Amino acid sequence: SQQGEEDPQALSIQEGENATMNCSYKTSINNLQWYRQNSGRGLVHLILIRSNEREKHSGRLRVTLDTSKKSSSLLITASRAADTASYFCATDLNDYKLSFGAGTTVTVRA
Amino acid sequence: DAGVTQSPTHLIKTRGQQVTLRCSPKSGHDTVSWYQQALGQGPQFIFQYYEEEERQRGNFPDRFSGHQFPNYSSELNVNALLLGDSALYLCASSAQTGTDKNSNTDTQYFGPGTRLTVL
Repeated sequence: SQQGEEDPQALSIQEGENATMNCSYKTSINNLQWYRQNSGRGLVHLILIRSNEREKHSGRLRVTLDTSKKSSSLLITASRAADTASYFCATDLNDYKLSFGAGTTVTVRA
Repeated sequence: DAGVTQSPTHLIKTRGQQVTLRCSPKSGHDTVSWYQQALGQGPQFIFQYYEEEERQRGNFPDRFSGHQFPNYSSELNVNALLLGDSALYLCASSAQTGTDKNSNTDTQYFGPGTRLTVL
């Protein structure tokens, strides 16, 4: 089974609204990374948060990590049409590979 | 600065054939990983190459093999293709951190992928 599980599977919001998606994982991690994928193309790296960090920001993105609950959240503020994409969390267990969840599909309506 | 590049973009093969996919890592990166992404799923790790050797492998059969060249570029080979091998194949490159060659790499940067269709 996959290490990371995103929730919800799909999200539809109005332009300008915030979008929040969650990721839960099973075992202790080295770091957790969020990626974006547009229409089945390559993945774009968004943020990496290490196991000893609790929150990171990058532009309109905010990521939190709660290692006690084995969960992370990605918040996109003031969403735009260009944010329409699939978002994946990936866990790094310090074993050279990333384990991805099935992703959250975000649709931003104009 | 070129990012990760992959070729070809699309490929159509028939069952039983063999295929080779290619990847050039981002400048300054020495580690290449390959992932398979089936439609509607997240990427699944196939293997990682560093110093021209496979140092970690996911749950994929021996039909999947790879190679890394001295210039750090890499190939993924799949033999005896099955219908279920139809997927987007993603290459990711990263840089070894620290002086310990057994240490993990950090952020992996992905290429645009090769869409393989097996008929």
